[in-house]
Amino acid sequence: GQNIDQPTEMTATEGAIVQINCTYQTSGFNGLFWYQQHAGEAPTFLSYNVLDGLEEKGRFSSFLSRSKGYSYLLLKELQMKDSASYLCAVYGGYNKLIFGAGTRLAVHP
Amino acid sequence: GAVVSQHPSRVICKSGTSVKIECRSLDFQATTMFWYRQFPKKSLMLMATSNEGSKATYEQGVEKDKFLINHASLTLSTLTVTSAHPEDSSFYICSARFRTRGETQYFGPGTRLLVL
Repeated sequence: GQNIDQPTEMTATEGAIVQINCTYQTSGFNGLFWYQQHAGEAPTFLSYNVLDGLEEKGRFSSFLSRSKGYSYLLLKELQMKDSASYLCAVYGGYNKLIFGAGTRLAVHP
Repeated sequence: GAVVSQHPSRVICKSGTSVKIECRSLDFQATTMFWYRQFPKKSLMLMATSNEGSKATYEQGVEKDKFLINHASLTLSTLTVTSAHPEDSSFYICSARFRTRGETQYFGPGTRLLVL
């Protein structure tokens, strides 16, 4: 079966660092995406990992370990506007994106 | 970056009527468009995959006669919810994958449908 797990909710303080984990079991793997989604809006693309290792893009970094079926999204220097849901999605077999349920991040002053 | 638009952004309709939602890629030709629905505080569920000029591929459990998808060109796909019922009320989001952008999907702003 297909399964993507990520924590339901997280809280963090403005200026801090937060790591959102994602584990997956899918039939086929062609890459892993992280999207940010603010309430009532469509997801926006953050990162795409297809090879093992860390991809850094400004305040956001994403890590992938294919052998462990594991990824994380690292957010540094948190800002209030980073309060949103973060969706982990695996590009699996049959050319389809399979989404996790999302992690709702609340950033407090 | 690539831009995907949806219209309308919000629609309220009576039970039994049909609603058409348009998804357009504004800057690039989309090789494939996808339609998702999302319930409150839930993740996106893929409904169907749409390739230009061919029939859409529906996910298991999605009624193709109820959710009609037309992909007439490389920049336009439409989703028609036929004979809508209150349980069809949801957030419908389209996405597009572009020839020059690899596997990344770019999402439209979504359409919030409320069926009374």
